[in-house]
Amino acid sequence: DTAVSQTPKYLVTQMGNDKSIKCEQNLGHDTMYWYKQDSKKFLKIMFSYNNKELIINETVPNRFSPKSPDKAHLNLHINSLELGDSAVYFCASSQGRIANTGELFFGEGSRLTVL
Amino acid sequence: GEDVEQSLFLSVREGDSSVINCTYTDSSSTYLYWYKQEPGAGLQLLTYIFSNMDMKQDQRLTVLLNKKDKHLSLRIADTQTGDSAIYFCAESPTLTTDSWGKLQFGAGTQVVVTP
Repeated sequence: DTAVSQTPKYLVTQMGNDKSIKCEQNLGHDTMYWYKQDSKKFLKIMFSYNNKELIINETVPNRFSPKSPDKAHLNLHINSLELGDSAVYFCASSQGRIANTGELFFGEGSRLTVL
Repeated sequence: GEDVEQSLFLSVREGDSSVINCTYTDSSSTYLYWYKQEPGAGLQLLTYIFSNMDMKQDQRLTVLLNKKDKHLSLRIADTQTGDSAIYFCAESPTLTTDSWGKLQFGAGTQVVVTP
């Protein structure tokens, strides 16, 4: 039973399109995140939600809009896709403040390729 | 990943010890972490060390922290082929509301274990 699941796993699309990635966690955690991993494997936090409230927004372009319908789900919608958006997007969750334990539970990632 | 640096690649023979090094810049880091990413998977927390500790041992894993030099290392004893993965060093800032999920990751060290 997958703890943090993301769909789709692979996404290939044209520049200018709008796409969404969905994430669900069944761990009962109250905090969820989106991280972006670029081609050089750098991982950067994009957003963090705690109990459906936005906590962190790391200067991500407005084209990226996260939505948390409930604390078990955090979806990522991207408008007007650009070539530079190609990356692997990881959803993660934690119980409470990450700095207490360091344990983020990651999904398997969604590889987005923009042509 | 600019504030956390790691070497990109390490090749080690099965049965030998692996040592992965990391340097970080934030002297206020509360916790430092090692995550492991296997191919096609998300990151998994391997171990962490609190900033007031010098060393932590957990079975085959030994973490050493040199706060003065801001240097963190992970030693894997008796390295196995299953240890082949990318290893990420990460730091978290001092506990504040803004620190939720703000782990600063390095670019990862690809470890290849040869028979």
